[in-house]
Amino acid sequence: SQTIHQWPATLVQPVGSPLSLECTVEGTSNPNLYWYRQAAGRGLQLLFYSVGIGQISSEVPQNLSASRPQDRQFILSSKKLLLSDSGFYLCAGRDRGTDTQYFGPGTRLTVL
Amino acid sequence: GQNIDQPTEMTATEGAIVQINCTYQTSGFNGLFWYQQHAGEAPTFLSYNVLDGLEEKGRFSSFLSRSKGYSYLLLKELQMKDSASYLCAGRLDTGRRALTFGSGTRLQVQP
Repeated sequence: SQTIHQWPATLVQPVGSPLSLECTVEGTSNPNLYWYRQAAGRGLQLLFYSVGIGQISSEVPQNLSASRPQDRQFILSSKKLLLSDSGFYLCAGRDRGTDTQYFGPGTRLTVL
Repeated sequence: GQNIDQPTEMTATEGAIVQINCTYQTSGFNGLFWYQQHAGEAPTFLSYNVLDGLEEKGRFSSFLSRSKGYSYLLLKELQMKDSASYLCAGRLDTGRRALTFGSGTRLQVQP
């Protein structure tokens, strides 16, 4: 079964600073990978998904971007953070055998 | 569309049974998932239904009726540790296979 790693676990950044969140996957190859954001007390919002290296699809227009430089690496970035970027960022991978999505531990981002 | 609706909060007693309902618009839908999320943690997978009927996994069961756009999660023999948010999610039948989540139902188990 696959394992999703994310870091850092928590992050406090000033408005206007850059962002890089990393997600890596173990135990599978060529997974579909996803970035979700969860605002306080809200549901999960899909931000990006990727079906392979260099293939990124954006779900909502925003201040963020994603990249997939390697098969098991998925990165979420921003050049200039906004206050509204605060939230809980979750990386997920789809297990092709069970067709289930599994989540990493998440990164809690606070933009001040 | 893929609106997912579930109650915001529920309260139940330790040892009891609780049913958390979820309704969704059926167009373009393929699969219904339930996740458990404790405060401050990532969601963990509980169950998955793609066909109509009941799926049982220990104290947890999930039911799906595709024609009615309805699912429920049944938790038996409630324990204090079951206090968490329960997220209902539908999967669109597209290549991306991503999930659309409801806002979650916060369950409080009382002694």
